[in-house]
Amino acid sequence: QVQLKESGPGLVQPSQTLSLTCTVSGFSLTSYNVHWVRQPPGKGLEWMGVIWSGGNTDYNSALKPRLSISRDTSKSQVFLTMNSLQTEDTGIYYCNRNGADWGQGTLVTVSS
Amino acid sequence: NIVMTQSPKSMSISVGDRVTMNCKASQNVYNNIAWYQQKPGQSPKLLIYYASNRYNGVPDRFTGSGYGTDFTLTINSVQAEDAAFYYCQRIYNSPRTFGGGTKLELK
Repeated sequence: QVQLKESGPGLVQPSQTLSLTCTVSGFSLTSYNVHWVRQPPGKGLEWMGVIWSGGNTDYNSALKPRLSISRDTSKSQVFLTMNSLQTEDTGIYYCNRNGADWGQGTLVTVSS
Repeated sequence: NIVMTQSPKSMSISVGDRVTMNCKASQNVYNNIAWYQQKPGQSPKLLIYYASNRYNGVPDRFTGSGYGTDFTLTINSVQAEDAAFYYCQRIYNSPRTFGGGTKLELK
């Protein structure tokens, strides 16, 4: 069955770089798009970006200067990298397959 | 960029009532809208895609409608388990902007 699971450091210091991994199973990254969505505590959902099945990417314009999404199809993994983190980047980070299947999310706290 | 505006921000409804919530796009998005349900501590769940198509396993009391800039999610005969946040999202094209959400509470 389709599964997605986010993993990452949990705690990141301000101004540092966040690296998250979305490990998928039950489908091929070359056939489906994977999106990243985040949610600050007590707030709504924010679409961050997507890696299309063909390997191209699109980003939220507000995050584009510091966001990168990539993948390793052989390992069924999608990567999110975001630099210059600030406290407002604290939240739960989700990956999803075309909105239909979501990971459980991983909490990222930006704090010194 | 397209802005998605949801209304109302919150509503308090009794079990068995009919609920209607709205999503307005700042530009024509045709039928490229999805609706999600999110309960506290859980990931969002897809309810409706392309404005009116119910996703696998979604109860038929959930109905989506609309085209262009104005969209509606209707829940007929609300159940206790429907208490949640509901989000609309522009789909198909990027950016895939979310609305701010509607909180549905049960009286």
